[in-house]
Amino acid sequence: QLQLQESGPGLVKPSETLSLTCTVSGGSISGSSHYWGWIRQPPGKGLQWIGHIFYTGSTYYNSSLMSRVTISVDTSKNQFSLRLSSVSAADTALYYCVRRNSGWRAFDYWGQGTLVTVSS
Amino acid sequence: QSVLTQPPSASGTPGQRVTISCSGSSSNIGSNPVNWYQQLPGSAPKLLIYSNNQRPSGVPDRFSGSRSGTSASLAISGLQSEDEADYYCAAWDDSLIGPVFGGGTELTVL
Repeated sequence: QLQLQESGPGLVKPSETLSLTCTVSGGSISGSSHYWGWIRQPPGKGLQWIGHIFYTGSTYYNSSLMSRVTISVDTSKNQFSLRLSSVSAADTALYYCVRRNSGWRAFDYWGQGTLVTVSS
Repeated sequence: QSVLTQPPSASGTPGQRVTISCSGSSSNIGSNPVNWYQQLPGSAPKLLIYSNNQRPSGVPDRFSGSRSGTSASLAISGLQSEDEADYYCAAWDDSLIGPVFGGGTELTVL
């Protein structure tokens, strides 16, 4: 069974860079026909897609975050990562790593989520 | 403001049938399949319906989806207490070049 697990700091200072890693187990990112991505959820609010990446490195980003977001993949470690620069309190959220099933065109596997708080 | 519009809340009694609507536009629901996600309290979202009306393995057939024009709906029949959750619709948006979500509907089982 495919499992995704987020890891990274739970507290980031304003103007700094948020960095998270998602480790995939039970399946391989390399050669997969699916995409791997990030979705966030501010406390008490709805879901916002951040972006996703194919194992070859091609990416799609939310246009509202594009100038600050980088998603990368490390197939040797079966991991993919998120970097969000110049963070503010508005970036405080639960961050989920996800698999986007390319056939279903839906997010079919989700990590448990990790809370990142932006505060000094 | 979410790109897709859902009612913020819905409710029903056990055994009842409830529906949740999701309204979009020609660039999203009007031209791309709709997915629905269920988020139980304190948990990550779970895919409930994909491609408008398909259920992943393990999802009870009490859950069904439909799409017509630029709107979609999720129906839950034989409502159970464990169905109490937030429900989100989503679809790819050709203008924004990415998936967009509804604001979510909080379902209460009375």
